[in-house]
Amino acid sequence: EPEVTQTPSHQVTQMGQEVILRCVPISNHLYFYWYRQILGQKVEFLVSFYNNEISEKSEIFDDQFSVERPDGSNFTLKIRSTKLEDSAMYFCASRSKAGGYEQYFGPGTRLTVT
Amino acid sequence: QKEVEQNSGPLSVPEGAIASLNCTYSDRGSQSFFWYRQYSGKSPELIMFIYSNGDKEDGRFTAQLNKASQYVSLLIRDSQPSDSATYLCAVNGWAGNQFYFGTGTSLTVIP
Repeated sequence: EPEVTQTPSHQVTQMGQEVILRCVPISNHLYFYWYRQILGQKVEFLVSFYNNEISEKSEIFDDQFSVERPDGSNFTLKIRSTKLEDSAMYFCASRSKAGGYEQYFGPGTRLTVT
Repeated sequence: QKEVEQNSGPLSVPEGAIASLNCTYSDRGSQSFFWYRQYSGKSPELIMFIYSNGDKEDGRFTAQLNKASQYVSLLIRDSQPSDSATYLCAVNGWAGNQFYFGTGTSLTVIP
């Protein structure tokens, strides 16, 4: 069964450094998403991406964040200058264009900012 | 602000019983509704979705939607210890491009 994959599973970085989180969505899916979950808190929407552009973004997704689909398979989230409060699980999700709105989540990347 | 409310629990049920999980949402424009299961340290796993008022059954799971009351629920029949997890309610806005999640209800099924 196709699934969303994410790398790395755990990323440790120092405050102020740039990080890139990578995702490979399900191959025939056309909508891509990033969410984050701070430990013990709810899953929060960051951004949605379709047809090579951002569809929607939340207030969390400020100028420090960017997304890119550099090729036909990868979808990346870049945080330019990490802060301590960026420490969280980051989940990528995807959905197909046809059918409903069901989103399928990847296993997540745990980002720790020290 | 769009809100999705869930009782955080914990909810404990004996093995074989019915577990009932509830969710309310604030955005009347919401059109699609989802239940995810999340084990500790893992990602959300889609278990049910419902788009129309009424009941939808899939195996041991039944989702119920009442748009007039802005209420969605999940029933788990014949609960098993492996069902012990946090259940997340997610609601899609009218634009269809983002989910709003509740904080989740922690369910423990006691053998």
